[in-house]
Amino acid sequence: DTGVSQNPRHKITKRGQNVTFRCDPISEHNRLYWYRQTLGQGPEFLTYFQNEAQLEKSRLLSDRFSAERPKGSFSTLEIQRTEQGDSAMYLCASSSTGKLFFGSGTQLSVL
Amino acid sequence: AQRVTQPEKLLSVFKGAPVELKCNYSYSGSPELFWYVQYSRQRLQLLLRHISRESIKGFTADLNKGETSFHLKKPFAQEEDSAMYYCALKGAQKLVFGQGTRLTINP
Repeated sequence: DTGVSQNPRHKITKRGQNVTFRCDPISEHNRLYWYRQTLGQGPEFLTYFQNEAQLEKSRLLSDRFSAERPKGSFSTLEIQRTEQGDSAMYLCASSSTGKLFFGSGTQLSVL
Repeated sequence: AQRVTQPEKLLSVFKGAPVELKCNYSYSGSPELFWYVQYSRQRLQLLLRHISRESIKGFTADLNKGETSFHLKKPFAQEEDSAMYYCALKGAQKLVFGQGTRLTINP
């Protein structure tokens, strides 16, 4: 499968724990996006990379969230000291022409 | 600021009937509009984009800058059109999505 790959598919954690998600974009895509989606809502923009540079980060994103894209390839999204409100589907997408290709997402449940 | 509004969370029509999913946007610059679709148990995927001016699976959408709208239309709905539809607006960098409309086609 040459599409966008996200791991893990599901993550259950206890409140206060740290979690990290990984996204492998389509190899030739220079742009990578992270979105969060909760039930009944559309995807909410979190952050955006062009190659290894993080160009924009949502003001809604607290300091507990951090994302990296070393070497402009895969990306990781870390959430520190998770809260129940962090429970959501975390989506990754990549692009080279403006058309976004999405991964299947990581479903996070914080107990 | 970029904003996308989809006023209908749910839309149900009968097979063969026309479909229109509404989308309004707010953006001070020159927008690029998209419709994304998510079928059951599948990934979110692009349906169409306004700059392509194409028809995909019988769907079309026209950008109306005067009314700041980008409604999605299909003259004759099919059962396989049942899905979540998201309108999205791309400004300078990021893509902003509406809340989505769940379209159900009844047999």
